[in-house]
Amino acid sequence: DTEVTQTPKHLVMGMTNKKSLKCEQHMGHRAMYWYKQKAKKPPELMFVYSYEKLSINESVPSRFSPECPNSSLLNLHLHALQPEDSALYLCASSQDGGISYNEQFFGPGTRLTVL
Amino acid sequence: RKEVEQDPGPFNVPEGATVAFNCTYSNSASQSFFWYRQDCRKEPKLLMSVYSSGNEDGRFTAQLNRASQYISLLIRDSKLSDSATYLCVVKNAGKLIFGQGTTLQVKP
Repeated sequence: DTEVTQTPKHLVMGMTNKKSLKCEQHMGHRAMYWYKQKAKKPPELMFVYSYEKLSINESVPSRFSPECPNSSLLNLHLHALQPEDSALYLCASSQDGGISYNEQFFGPGTRLTVL
Repeated sequence: RKEVEQDPGPFNVPEGATVAFNCTYSNSASQSFFWYRQDCRKEPKLLMSVYSSGNEDGRFTAQLNRASQYISLLIRDSKLSDSATYLCVVKNAGKLIFGQGTTLQVKP
């Protein structure tokens, strides 16, 4: 079952709120990813976790804070976001995060609106 | 220059047509290559991996030319349901690098 789930589907938050996005996969994958996608643009990588350790941070502002509690779960904590952070946030997973030829599978995303 | 370049289209074709998308990449050290499909307001879904020997999956054929750093996707006998954005994706050092996507609209 190539399924990655994400909650919530939609989120509206104010600039002073704190919220979290959640992602889960049960495929035994050891690499998990957060992407941000704006309308009519391709996904942009934010973070990579490999074997539950943060391996890539694409210079993302500290108002985004990732967390990987275990190999199946990935969270993205949001605090003091700006309206320009409104986007579709996609989680993905792959067998591992190395240079091997394995594909990434995406969750349905959380559509975030910051007011 | 973008690391992965695609013609954004849109490509408007009638049902049953054959359509080809092209993509070039700049980093010769890129390790693996994919085509993803993304429907409006949905997540990208893997369409197929692309191998040096070329590969086919039903109506879809993907080719890779490492010497020219060029990837292609051919769709035969287009269906209305093929309407989507097709993303050329290159993997480098564990990271996926996406092209801007090519929009396909198949009309009855």
